[in-house]
Amino acid sequence: EAQVTQNPRYLITVTGKKLTVTCSQNMNHEYMSWYRQDPGLGLRQIYYSMNVEVTDKGDVPEGYKVSRKEKRNFPLILESPSPNQTSLYFCASSALGDTQYFGPGTRLTVL
Amino acid sequence: AQSVAQPEDQVNVAEGNPLTVKCTYSVSGNPYLFWYVQYPNRGLQFLLKYITGDNLVKGSYGFEAEFNKSQTSFHLKKPSALVSDSALYFCAPRDSWGKFQFGAGTQVVVTP
Repeated sequence: EAQVTQNPRYLITVTGKKLTVTCSQNMNHEYMSWYRQDPGLGLRQIYYSMNVEVTDKGDVPEGYKVSRKEKRNFPLILESPSPNQTSLYFCASSALGDTQYFGPGTRLTVL
Repeated sequence: AQSVAQPEDQVNVAEGNPLTVKCTYSVSGNPYLFWYVQYPNRGLQFLLKYITGDNLVKGSYGFEAEFNKSQTSFHLKKPSALVSDSALYFCAPRDSWGKFQFGAGTQVVVTP
């Protein structure tokens, strides 16, 4: 089944404790992206990647890192999480220029 | 820089009545335009897209959208709304470099 998977689905952590949210797709898509969703703000793009080893900042990249060492994986790293990064995070992938497919979301709470 | 506006936070409609969710956009170059829907506690699902061609695009679940270049709009429509259409709808233009921009979302509430 074609899908985008994210792990973990739920995470509660404390300020400053490094964490990684994994994202994997099995559709051989070139394009992958991370978004955060906050009430009243819609989805805001954090980082995106057009292909392996190619990443670029979205609208809200501060406090986040990504890497794209393999085509299928696009992990999101929070080196020192802060409470303002409490949010619902979505990973998405697509063929270039085509429809994005979204993962189920990761609900992160930073205390 | 690209931008997107969904002017209504919420749209209320009675079941069986037509539904319209508005979207206007600003994108450099030729726009690629998408609509997504999010049901409660779920991820986003693709509804339809405009890349080129016919200005009226038909998508999933009976939805359609009309691309209007002069008004830079891409309104989502459904002739007869169902209670199950109650969800959060996002308009998302994409520029020629691959970057998507999502609107703030419009909550649709369909009452029986």
